Amino acid sequence: DAKTTQPPSMDCAEGRAANLPCNHSTISGNEYVYWYRQIHSQGPQYIIHGLKNNETNEMASLIITEDRKSSTLILPHATLRDTAVYYCIVFKAAGNKLTFGGGTRVLVKP
Amino acid sequence: NAGVTQTPKFRILKIGQSMTLQCTQDMNHNYMYWYRQDPGMGLKLIYYSVGAGITDKGEVPNGYNVSRSTTEDFPLRLELAAPSQTSVYFCASSWHTEVEAFFGQGTRLTVV
Repeated sequence: DAKTTQPPSMDCAEGRAANLPCNHSTISGNEYVYWYRQIHSQGPQYIIHGLKNNETNEMASLIITEDRKSSTLILPHATLRDTAVYYCIVFKAAGNKLTFGGGTRVLVKP
Repeated sequence: NAGVTQTPKFRILKIGQSMTLQCTQDMNHNYMYWYRQDPGMGLKLIYYSVGAGITDKGEVPNGYNVSRSTTEDFPLRLELAAPSQTSVYFCASSWHTEVEAFFGQGTRLTVV
């Protein structure tokens, strides 16, 4: 599975958009990009995933570059409850294993 | 619909003791996973299963065993507990690898 690189931490102002980058330069054609987050010590929570096209749901938007070597998770209006560690994961659908890296620790400030 | 349920939530073990961490899901998911998370670190995959009767090793399987006799249950067995196994353990399940995985709330294990 392709490796991912994320900044270890970032701050965001409440009410503003939070843009979380992820580099996955070795991604292959059949590998998906997934985003999860982990609030405090809870179990990780699924946010969004995509293959090639940009995706949007009620929680966030996922922008994947045309060459698929990087992506950005966008939280459109960050709230204090969005403070969490955000994990970008790349894996093959047939690989069966969801592997987590270090993630980005996001702190939303008032 | 309870989702993924893990028991116990907390446990203290003495070195050399054994225990089983229970995980059950009521979503009829084929795929189930066990992860461990050490303080300040990301999750590491211990074992996973793609269906009843089928299990496979993840990144850090040493010191653990699993079984999958039913679709619902995926217990994790620790034999001869060691301090290095002090961690938070998360169980997860998914219907397929292309969709979201649901996680339990974790079991916090301390080995002293």
